[in-house]
Amino acid sequence: TQLLEQSPQFLSIQEGENLTVYCNSSSVFSSLQWYRQEPGEGPVLLVTVVTGGEVKKLKRLTFQFGDARKDSSLHITAAQPGDTGLYLCAGGGSNYQLIWGAGTKLIIKP
Amino acid sequence: ETGVTQSPTHLIKTRGQQVTLRCSSQSGHNTVSWYQQALGQGPQFIFQYYREEENGRGNFPPRFSGLQFPNYSSELNVNALELDDSALYLCASSWGQGTYEQYFGPGTRLTVT
Repeated sequence: TQLLEQSPQFLSIQEGENLTVYCNSSSVFSSLQWYRQEPGEGPVLLVTVVTGGEVKKLKRLTFQFGDARKDSSLHITAAQPGDTGLYLCAGGGSNYQLIWGAGTKLIIKP
Repeated sequence: ETGVTQSPTHLIKTRGQQVTLRCSSQSGHNTVSWYQQALGQGPQFIFQYYREEENGRGNFPPRFSGLQFPNYSSELNVNALELDDSALYLCASSWGQGTYEQYFGPGTRLTVT
């Protein structure tokens, strides 16, 4: 069974600090996606990584896919209150389903 | 470009009843996936429809069923509702089979009492 574990589950930091969120598995994924979800809304796709070792940047967010395609990280530089939300990673599994992590709830305090 | 829409936004049902949730896919997309998200958890895959056929299914019982129409919109039907069915139901659309880059609607919040 393919599983994705996210850590930490909860993170509360001050505006301006840096942070990293991790998404780990013992399984290989063909692709891995990061989403952000706000309360009462659907997840919004941030990025898809496909190649082992790939690094993608989205403004202050940096996403990395592990060389073995089993893990990924999301690094936010100089976090802002607008970054607050639930960050979810999801990997392409068998049977056309996305395997989801449980999410990291991020709160950025002004 | 029209995004993914879902209806209704909120719904309250009684245990044992049946419910139908609806989803309109983003223009240009031919695949719809449905997910159940319990409070504080990541989404759980229910099933995917591609060109009006069920294309993959997660670990959900047969009382969860669906349809996809020629315009690629979709319905999720749940029979014999149970209290544990209370959740946010998410619909996502994409192009082609599989899981690449899915775009989600706002969800339907179902409460079963």
